[in-house]
Amino acid sequence: KQEVTQIPAALSVPEGENLVLNCSFTDSAIYNLQWFRQDPGKGLTSLLLIQSSQREQTSGRLNASLDKSSGRSTLYIAASQPGDSATYLCAVGIQLSVGFNKFYFGSGTKLNVKP
Amino acid sequence: DVKVTQSSRYLVKRTGEKVFLECVQDMDHENMFWYRQDPGLGLRLIYFSYDVKMKEKGDIPEGYSVSREKKERFSLILESASTNQTSMYLCASSSPFRFYTGELFFGEGSRLTVL
Repeated sequence: KQEVTQIPAALSVPEGENLVLNCSFTDSAIYNLQWFRQDPGKGLTSLLLIQSSQREQTSGRLNASLDKSSGRSTLYIAASQPGDSATYLCAVGIQLSVGFNKFYFGSGTKLNVKP
Repeated sequence: DVKVTQSSRYLVKRTGEKVFLECVQDMDHENMFWYRQDPGLGLRLIYFSYDVKMKEKGDIPEGYSVSREKKERFSLILESASTNQTSMYLCASSSPFRFYTGELFFGEGSRLTVL
């Protein structure tokens, strides 16, 4: 069974720092990997989606990389801001059969960016 | 903008009541999912559906049922609510991987309290 781990569980940094969040998975037979942001009491907002054939994706100050062979992904946040404070989750997508997907989630990294 | 809409953001119900949680997506997605999220336990899959009238049990289906009569709508039913079903419920949808990115989209969540 696929297991997804995120380290660290919590992170507190001063504003302006560049930071890296880590996600690891046990089975490299994934279809895609997605990073989400979750604010307290809210749903998950998609940040970046990386297909299994891709190495990285970028959106603004965010960059996500994927190394399937080692079972790792990183989310890089440049010049962090207090508004980046949230919980960040990664999820790997598995194709169970044609037209039939399943997703496995990490437990998240809770980020606090101090002004 | 793509959208997953959950009918109720907050519900308070009594033990033994029947509870309906509704989810509608406007992206013509085949795959729809219901998760619950609890502190320290992460996201856990309750049920998912890959087509109209099709459903599959997830990791924690006990005490729940689902209905998918139309492609855009996926309902979660608690036949007889219990206090241990107090949780945040999250609905999500995605296209199948075969011809699409398979990106997963979430609703805003429904916070259910059972007294």
